[in-house]
Amino acid sequence: AQSVTQPDIHITVSEGASLELRCNYSYGATPYLFWYVQSPGQGLQLLLKYFSGDTLVQGIKGFEAEFKRSQSSFNLRKPSVHWSDAAEYFCAVVGGGNTPLVFGKGTRLSVIA
Amino acid sequence: EPEVTQTPSHQVTQMGQEVILRCVPISNHLYFYWYRQILGQKVEFLVSFYNNEISEKSEIFDDQFSVERPDGSNFTLKIRSTKLEDSAMYFCASSAVAAGTEAFFGQGTRLTVV
Repeated sequence: AQSVTQPDIHITVSEGASLELRCNYSYGATPYLFWYVQSPGQGLQLLLKYFSGDTLVQGIKGFEAEFKRSQSSFNLRKPSVHWSDAAEYFCAVVGGGNTPLVFGKGTRLSVIA
Repeated sequence: EPEVTQTPSHQVTQMGQEVILRCVPISNHLYFYWYRQILGQKVEFLVSFYNNEISEKSEIFDDQFSVERPDGSNFTLKIRSTKLEDSAMYFCASSAVAAGTEAFFGQGTRLTVV
């Protein structure tokens, strides 16, 4: 069964600084990979997704993620963080077909001035 | 932009009571899901629903849970006899094809069992 590990529970960055959130997955083949963001009291919003092709995917709000098969990773990046990016970020994986999304435990991002 | 809507946004219920959480998926979507998130923990899969039947369920989804699509637009999650540990945020999601495409999530229903 597929699984997702987000090793960082909480990250704090300064506004304007770059950001990288880590995600490692476990799955035998090439999975479908997602990053979702959850602002306080809100639902889950899709930031970006990877199915195949170019391993660097662009998402909304200036986020990007890179799929690295050799490292089983799908890290999320943003070159310059804004205060409004403070939220909980979830990496998720699907093994294909109609198998459900499996989420990581999430990384809470705090942004300081 | 089409969205998944959930009602109520917050429900408080007494232990042992039945609750029904309601969801209106995106209209042309075929796959429906319920997830839950206990405070401070990860989002966990409960059940998926396709073609008017459960296609997959997790071990969390025991006999006290049931799902229904009563009228072609609503998708409900019923918890028959709530327990304190059922307190969580419950998310409904839908997707046009399989989950491997993109699942759209609702805003969630916060269930508090007292």
